[in-house]
Amino acid sequence: AQRVTQPEKLLSVFKGAPVELKCNYSYSGSPELFWYVQYSRQRLQLLLRHISRESIKGFTADLNKGETSFHLKKPFAQEEDSAMYYCALSPNYGGATNKLIFGTGTLLAVQP
Amino acid sequence: DVKVTQSSRYLVKRTGEKVFLECVQDMDHENMFWYRQDPGLGLRLIYFSYDVKMKEKGDIPEGYSVSREKKERFSLILESASTNQTSMYLCASSPDTPEAFFGQGTRLTVV
Repeated sequence: AQRVTQPEKLLSVFKGAPVELKCNYSYSGSPELFWYVQYSRQRLQLLLRHISRESIKGFTADLNKGETSFHLKKPFAQEEDSAMYYCALSPNYGGATNKLIFGTGTLLAVQP
Repeated sequence: DVKVTQSSRYLVKRTGEKVFLECVQDMDHENMFWYRQDPGLGLRLIYFSYDVKMKEKGDIPEGYSVSREKKERFSLILESASTNQTSMYLCASSPDTPEAFFGQGTRLTVV
């Protein structure tokens, strides 16, 4: 079964501290992995995708196929990073290649 | 800039009513999706469409149907609203890639 697991509902850190939002997936093929973010009162938007290997707003995520993980990291958290973060998987087969399967989300709260 | 617009931000409906949630995108995307977003459950896919008049069930289609008569419009229909369908509903569209663009959401309350 295809599944995305985000074990933490809430992650609270102080400004300047490192952040790691965990994401594990189960899928037998080669999926595409994404992180989406929803800031307060804003729409859900793409933060980054694994194939681009970019750093967006200081965040990076590395796909670890051995551990089936795609953790999101930032070395120094900022208050404006406070938001709900969703990890998502897109199966890489047939007509469902553009479907996204989301995790349950992690609320990141950065304290001043 | 991609625009995905949902017709209502807030809706209150009575149990048993037929409810229509409308979504329009302006970027000629092939794919459109309806999700519901619930605390602790994340986003769950209700239905998606990869072409006009084409639709596929997602993970939780029971109690819902969809309509896509034109490429830019994707409607979610609650045939007979129930209180357990109280939720935030998110529409999204995507081109021929998995990167989805989301609407602002419709918070539906069924009383």
